[in-house]
Amino acid sequence: DSGVTQTPKHLITATGQRVTLRCSPRSGDLSVYWYQQSLDQGLQFLIQYYNGEERAKGNILERFSAQQFPDLHSELNLSSLELGDSALYFCASSVSVGGARGETQYFGPGTRLLVL
Amino acid sequence: AQSVTQPDIHITVSEGASLELRCNYSYGATPYLFWYVQSPGQGLQLLLKYFSGDTLVQGIKGFEAEFKRSQSSFNLRKPSVHWSDAAEYFCAVGDSNTGNQFYFGTGTSLTVIP
Repeated sequence: DSGVTQTPKHLITATGQRVTLRCSPRSGDLSVYWYQQSLDQGLQFLIQYYNGEERAKGNILERFSAQQFPDLHSELNLSSLELGDSALYFCASSVSVGGARGETQYFGPGTRLLVL
Repeated sequence: AQSVTQPDIHITVSEGASLELRCNYSYGATPYLFWYVQSPGQGLQLLLKYFSGDTLVQGIKGFEAEFKRSQSSFNLRKPSVHWSDAAEYFCAVGDSNTGNQFYFGTGTSLTVIP
């Protein structure tokens, strides 16, 4: 158990809908990362938040957004869903922003999204 | 641009045999390298990491990896594989320039034959 929790574990929805995925980082971790794992794209970094502020952005679609709240939990919002958005969405956390030393990221169990 | 290549999509070994999973990276500065394992339906578990110092790093579950700067490689090894090692293995490089995003390889799926 990494200490990172994600809800829900599974989500089934229809095209065009909007969903929210939730992540609670490990106790004391200030950074939260979101990744998408799909068969054709592999594991792709989406976005990083550090202490409530966006820190780095990867291959995140404009239909997707995220935020980190004062209690440090994070939500990933996916809207206007398409079939191709079906994937496993991972949240990870680390102690700080990373900096020059790099940091280990601890991954949650993921949310499996199926868009029908 | 940062990238990670895992040349072997799938590897099959017999239980008790040795294992080596290959990983090559492309990164402009000193890399921060990681190996994660993902069991079916599970999240990613950290096996080991390299930041600096000794180029041979030890991890959990009897795994080790060797960083070779001249070959831009960070191969994962285990002397004797157990059936429970069957899983997907991911190599990653951490990018500390813009934050701490990880670039993952495409993964190597390991099958262990009894």
